[in-house]
Amino acid sequence: IAGITQAPTSQILAAGRRMTLRCTQDMRHNAMYWYRQDLGLGLRLIHYSNTAGTTGKGEVPDGYSVSRANTDDFPLTLASAVPSQTSVYFCASSLTGGLTGELFFGEGSRLTVL
Amino acid sequence: GQNIDQPTEMTATEGAIVQINCTYQTSGFNGLFWYQQHAGEAPTFLSYNVLDGLEEKGRFSSFLSRSKGYSYLLLKELQMKDSASYLCAVGDSNYQLIWGAGTKLIIKP
Repeated sequence: IAGITQAPTSQILAAGRRMTLRCTQDMRHNAMYWYRQDLGLGLRLIHYSNTAGTTGKGEVPDGYSVSRANTDDFPLTLASAVPSQTSVYFCASSLTGGLTGELFFGEGSRLTVL
Repeated sequence: GQNIDQPTEMTATEGAIVQINCTYQTSGFNGLFWYQQHAGEAPTFLSYNVLDGLEEKGRFSSFLSRSKGYSYLLLKELQMKDSASYLCAVGDSNYQLIWGAGTKLIIKP
């Protein structure tokens, strides 16, 4: 089934540890995004990529990094996790960037930093 | 600052009609989106408005007034499966989506 796959679905992590959340899509979409969702707040954009080889910072990029080596993969790395990064992380994609179409979301990765 | 406001929670009866409002203040406007999110699941796209007026899609309709910074999502013939959170999002001048916190809709039999 075509779509977006995220891994892991859930993780408990000690503060200070490095963590990479994986995201793969098979829809050949050019644009990909990482959001975090916290209770009582709207989705907040962490980083985005409008095409393979390029990335950009969103609203809350500090403490996170991304890479886009190819069209399909868009991993999100927490270099040294802190408790405030406890959240549900959603990867999303769209055919193109620039809000020209709907976003397709992965099922989310629930991260707890202790 | 940029702001999207929508009610935190609403309750409606199965078979009825409900209107979920969204007001926004953003730097620029590049479209307004509505997404549905069931508990523990990913958001899924419902509608997109870029011009003023009503867009109808089956039981769901979305309305936009750019001059008032206002939109609503209208759900007709409510079903139990419509129990979910409804997220309003607006594209700003940088073509980034600004998201509201969502409205949790509870459907009662």
